[in-house]
Amino acid sequence: AQKVTQAQTEISVVEKEDVTLDCVYETRDTTYYLFWYKQPPSGELVFLIRRNSFDEQNEISGRYSWNFQKSTSSFNFTITASQVVDSAVYFCALSEPHPLDQAGTALIFGKGTTLSVSS
Amino acid sequence: SQTIHQWPATLVQPVGSPLSLECTVEGTSNPNLYWYRQAAGRGLQLLFYSVGIGQISSEVPQNLSASRPQDRQFILSSKKLLLSDSGFYLCAWSAGNYGYTFGSGTRLTVV
Repeated sequence: AQKVTQAQTEISVVEKEDVTLDCVYETRDTTYYLFWYKQPPSGELVFLIRRNSFDEQNEISGRYSWNFQKSTSSFNFTITASQVVDSAVYFCALSEPHPLDQAGTALIFGKGTTLSVSS
Repeated sequence: SQTIHQWPATLVQPVGSPLSLECTVEGTSNPNLYWYRQAAGRGLQLLFYSVGIGQISSEVPQNLSASRPQDRQFILSSKKLLLSDSGFYLCAWSAGNYGYTFGSGTRLTVV
């Protein structure tokens, strides 16, 4: 069965520190998609990244970077030089292809990591 | 462009009262639709998903039900709310390319 584990419940850092949020997943499929979402205090989910299982290249977007390692079933997220606006709950999620539906199965989320960045 | 509407934004209901949350999608056809719940301080739990009109899959047995009367309309209901039904409810849709779009959510407090 699919499972996403975010072992860090809460992380507190001071501005300008780098922080890494861990994500470990379980799936029996060879084709799957991994996601990261940000949930600010307002509650809406903000899409950050989607990565398919065949693309193990690390990705960088501004202060954000992602490290995908199939060998350890991990998809970790690093924020460089953190800012107060980065304070939020961050979710890692997994989706697998549906055999009858191109849109895939539902997203299965980890429990989230609450990041607090203080000034 | 595709948009997703979810209402109401907040709701306070007494225990034992009925519930109806509505979600509609615009700008796409035959989307997959989902209901998620987030209890206070906890993660996102998949409640229901639908791949077409009248096709509903329930992930967690509970006091809630879902219906899809039209292609782009997804309704979450309860006949009698429990205190444990309190939480933040999110509707989402996807249609190809594994892109998922979430609504702005409904914060339900059962008192």
